[in-house]
Amino acid sequence: GAGVSQSPSNKVTEKGKDVELRCDPISGHTALYWYRQSLGQGLEFLIYFQGNSAPDKSGLPSDRFSAERTGGSVSTLTIQRTQQEDSAVYLCASSLTGTSTGELFFGEGSRLTVL
Amino acid sequence: AQSVTQPDIHITVSEGASLELRCNYSYGATPYLFWYVQSPGQGLQLLLKYFSGDTLVQGIKGFEAEFKRSQSSFNLRKPSVHWSDAAEYFCAVGASYGAGSYQLTFGKGTKLSVIP
Repeated sequence: GAGVSQSPSNKVTEKGKDVELRCDPISGHTALYWYRQSLGQGLEFLIYFQGNSAPDKSGLPSDRFSAERTGGSVSTLTIQRTQQEDSAVYLCASSLTGTSTGELFFGEGSRLTVL
Repeated sequence: AQSVTQPDIHITVSEGASLELRCNYSYGATPYLFWYVQSPGQGLQLLLKYFSGDTLVQGIKGFEAEFKRSQSSFNLRKPSVHWSDAAEYFCAVGASYGAGSYQLTFGKGTKLSVIP
């Protein structure tokens, strides 16, 4: 499809395991974002990629979280040694320009449950 | 740093009634403001946005919002609610940072329930 695609849509894992979440942005969009949505907490910014620039990692909650974007397209968010508080919906968004006037287009999210 | 407050966690209205969802923001410069809607199990969809110019902004699905600088508000309105409007609504403010970083800061959302 033409929208932002995320996989898996649901992931259940055991505490201490590593997980990888994938985001395929809209073709041609230079900016890519990861947000975390926890119950009753709204959307929390995690990381921002823009073109070939160094990513803005200021929202990552701990060094267990990392993300990369290969070839300016697909992105992977990795959570190492998962904890129960990591349970949330992880949303990916892309934007054509990544500027203040650019609309963010969101995927449907990856729901992570850590047992 | 910017912030967004949505004072109402949950609102219930009857179908056909009018709706107003409140949003207050904090930002030092001229804000870029957005309303997104999230239906159950769906991603976020942009309803409308304000960058400059006319302070009354029209969006999709019959929604509108008014930017009031003096009140730091950007409330979302709809004259007549339909059952399909039941969803969660998020207000957001956009800001640029040094080194070209740009992000949206979201409020915690308002869940709208519609009584048939």
